[in-house]
Amino acid sequence: GQQVMQIPQYQHVQEGEDFTTYCNSSTTLSNIQWYKQRPGGHPVFLIQLVKSGEVKKQKRLTFQFGEAKKNSSLHITATQTTDVGTYFCAGPGNTDKLIFGTGTRLQVFP
Amino acid sequence: NAGVTQTPKFQVLKTGQSMTLQCAQDMNHNSMYWYRQDPGMGLRLIYYSASEGTTDKGEVPNGYNVSRLNKREFSLRLESAAPSQTSVYFCASSPGLGPDEQYFGPGTRLTVT
Repeated sequence: GQQVMQIPQYQHVQEGEDFTTYCNSSTTLSNIQWYKQRPGGHPVFLIQLVKSGEVKKQKRLTFQFGEAKKNSSLHITATQTTDVGTYFCAGPGNTDKLIFGTGTRLQVFP
Repeated sequence: NAGVTQTPKFQVLKTGQSMTLQCAQDMNHNSMYWYRQDPGMGLRLIYYSASEGTTDKGEVPNGYNVSRLNKREFSLRLESAAPSQTSVYFCASSPGLGPDEQYFGPGTRLTVT
């Protein structure tokens, strides 16, 4: 069945370093969404990308949708301790319901 | 505006016991979802409801039943709990009928012994 994979699974960085997580789908996606889940919390919607090659920024976060609409990335510039959490991508599956990626857990050391 | 609320926050069950997880949203959303999240894993869809009166199976529906009581409320029932159902359960809602952004509740942490 359709799969959405993310790499890396874990990432530990020093505060101030950059961080990138990659999302890859086995099929073409009509859109890609990104969510953040703080430790012990619930997923919170961050952004949705729809167009091929689209790039969107939210302060230190940069989101990109691949040209083939099968991959996406989230880049955080100069990480802060508040960035700690797990980042999930999600895309519509065959039944038009979201399929969530496996997530990347980010740990930031002060 | 509370968003999506879930009760209870924590629950411990013995194998074979039953329980119902409650979820309500006050955003007038059409679609509602139940997910489970196991340690270190992503979210897996159990059941969803695209509108009041309709429900459909997701990826992992076995052992669960759901009821879309009205537009606001979507409950998840475990008829005979098993240790494999130990997980964190999240309810979510979205405005439309398709793959819109989803708004999640705080979760229910369930342990089955």
